[in-house]
Amino acid sequence: QLQLQESGPGLVKPSETLSLTCTVSGGSISSSSYYWGWIRQPPGKGLEWIGSIYYSGSTYYNPSLKSRVTISVDTSKNQFSLKLSSVTAADTAVYYCARHVHTVVTDAFDIWGQGTMVTVSS
Amino acid sequence: EIVMTQSPATLSVSPGERATLSCRASQSVSSNLAWYQQKPGQAPRLLIYGASTRATGIPARFSGSGSGTEFTLTISSLQSEDFAVYYCQQYNNWLFTFGPGTKVDIK
Repeated sequence: QLQLQESGPGLVKPSETLSLTCTVSGGSISSSSYYWGWIRQPPGKGLEWIGSIYYSGSTYYNPSLKSRVTISVDTSKNQFSLKLSSVTAADTAVYYCARHVHTVVTDAFDIWGQGTMVTVSS
Repeated sequence: EIVMTQSPATLSVSPGERATLSCRASQSVSSNLAWYQQKPGQAPRLLIYGASTRATGIPARFSGSGSGTEFTLTISSLQSEDFAVYYCQQYNNWLFTFGPGTKVDIK
């Protein structure tokens, strides 16, 4: 059974870089038809797609965050990572990693990690 | 950017009753729409993709319909475990946006 688990600091200072890693277990990150995505949810608010990556390293980002986001993949560790630079309080959120099904009939996030809360504060 | 809206914001329903949730896109997304369920403290769960196809393991009481700009999620007979927030999400040309959600609570 495929599982995803986010890890990283729960507290980041303003203007610094938020770094998170998602570890995939129970399956290979190199599977075809799947991208791997990051989605966030500010407290009490809705969901925002941050970006997605294929195992080959091909990436797609939300234009609203593109200038600050880098997503990378390490197939040897079955992990993918998120870096968000120059963070502010507005970046405080629960960050989820998820498997992104990308086919001719769908682009949806079908397996999610439990999420990790990241607070931006000095 | 395609903006998604959902109505109502809150829907109060008695167990066993039918719930109908609406989602509207600011421009056509064809059938490129998914629905998710989220319970407090949990990650979202994929219910429907392609506007009407149930994801693996999703009970038949959940159904989706619509295309273009108007979509509906119907829960035919609400069970206690269905009280949650429901989000729609469009996928179009590598930009994915979610609606603000509809909270389904107990009447």
